[in-house]
Order: sequence, then structure tokens, then C-alpha cells
Amino acid sequence: AQKVTQAQTEISVVEKEDVTLDCVYETRDTTYYLFWYKQPPSGELVFLIRRNSFDEQNEISGRYSWNFQKSTSSFNFTITASQVVDSAVYFCALRGNNAGNMLTFGGGTRLMVKP
Amino acid sequence: EPEVTQTPSHQVTQMGQEVILRCVPISNHLYFYWYRQILGQKVEFLVSFYNNEISEKSEIFDDQFSVERPDGSNFTLKIRSTKLEDSAMYFCASSVTTGVMETQYFGPGTRLLVL
Repeated sequence: AQKVTQAQTEISVVEKEDVTLDCVYETRDTTYYLFWYKQPPSGELVFLIRRNSFDEQNEISGRYSWNFQKSTSSFNFTITASQVVDSAVYFCALRGNNAGNMLTFGGGTRLMVKP
Repeated sequence: EPEVTQTPSHQVTQMGQEVILRCVPISNHLYFYWYRQILGQKVEFLVSFYNNEISEKSEIFDDQFSVERPDGSNFTLKIRSTKLEDSAMYFCASSVTTGVMETQYFGPGTRLLVL
């Protein structure tokens, strides 16, 4: 069975603050894939990043960075110098290599960035 | 940049009626998916489709649901007799492949309201 937990249901920050969104996952598969998606108020799901379980390098893309820690089964997402446009619901998702093609999503974290 | 499209964006229907939700996946993608998101809840997998047949389905995807690829571009989800609890946002997604290189790209969603 696969499970993704995003313990923070809602986070509120002031613009320019850094914020970290937590994601903890469970899977029995030794090979698996982790994803982050953004859901802005308009409702669509926007792909942000994929990380394969055998690649533990952290990644930075502009103001976004991801910290993959296999030892703690976590894949956290940090936004530096947050902006109002970052306000959205962020979903972490998991696909196990032996779990078919389905993505298992966490419950999402609603991020509100205030001016 | 190619994207997944979905029609209609919103649909209101009466309980017991049939609805068909339409999706046009990204043109060179071979794997197609439907997910749903009940308001305020997590995104849930419904079904995946490859080579003109269902490759995987969840417990949610019961006999009331069916999928079809009627031509070379469209991918549809039919709900035969809608129930109140079918009210949700339905997302179509597609991917080129599965495994290491897979990323599922999502459409903007169809918001279905069953009265």
C-alpha cells in the first residue's frame, strides 16, 4: 500500500518569507517516484517536479527547492522569498514501481502568501 | 507547449442522468488517466488506459463508469447514472510512457455538479 501524508493543511506567510511544505510517504516498493503539483485557485494541476527514488540529489529551480531524504521518507518543498502568486494548494504524490500507474496524492497544503 | 484539454469546464446534471466528460491528451502520449477530486479533498485515481484498454482501475471506478478512446485524439469518461456523490472535479491526465521517465500531465479539469 502507498500513502502520502502532508501534515500541514494550511500555511499562511507574508510575502518574501521562506516557507517549507512537508511531505512524508510510505511505500513497500524499492523503486518509486515522487512528484509535486501546484493547484492555483483556478483549479488546474500544474506539474512542478519529479524525483526518482534512486536519485537523492536535491534540486533547485529558481525560488523552488526540494529536499529528498530517503532515510526519513520525506520529500519537502521550499519556496524562498515567497510571492503572492505562490498562493495555491500544493500536492505531493507518489507512484511505486510495482503499484501500477496510479499516483497516490497527499491531502495537500494550502499556502496563502499575504502582501 | 502542448497541453491536455478538457471539455466542458463545468457541467450541471440531474441525479440519474448520464454524463460524458471529454479529454484531448497530449498528442504523442500513450497513457491516459482519469482522477477525481471531491471539493476540498485529495485527488483520487480512477482509471488508467493504454493500448485501447483499461490497464488499472481503483475501487471508485465501478460499473457506473466507463472510458473510451473513440478516435485518435479524444479520451472520454462516462458516468451512466450519476449520483449526488459523483459531484467532484474530474481531471484527465496523460503521459508519454511509464516508469523512470513518466510524468503525468493534467488537464484543467471538469467540475461536475449533480443535483
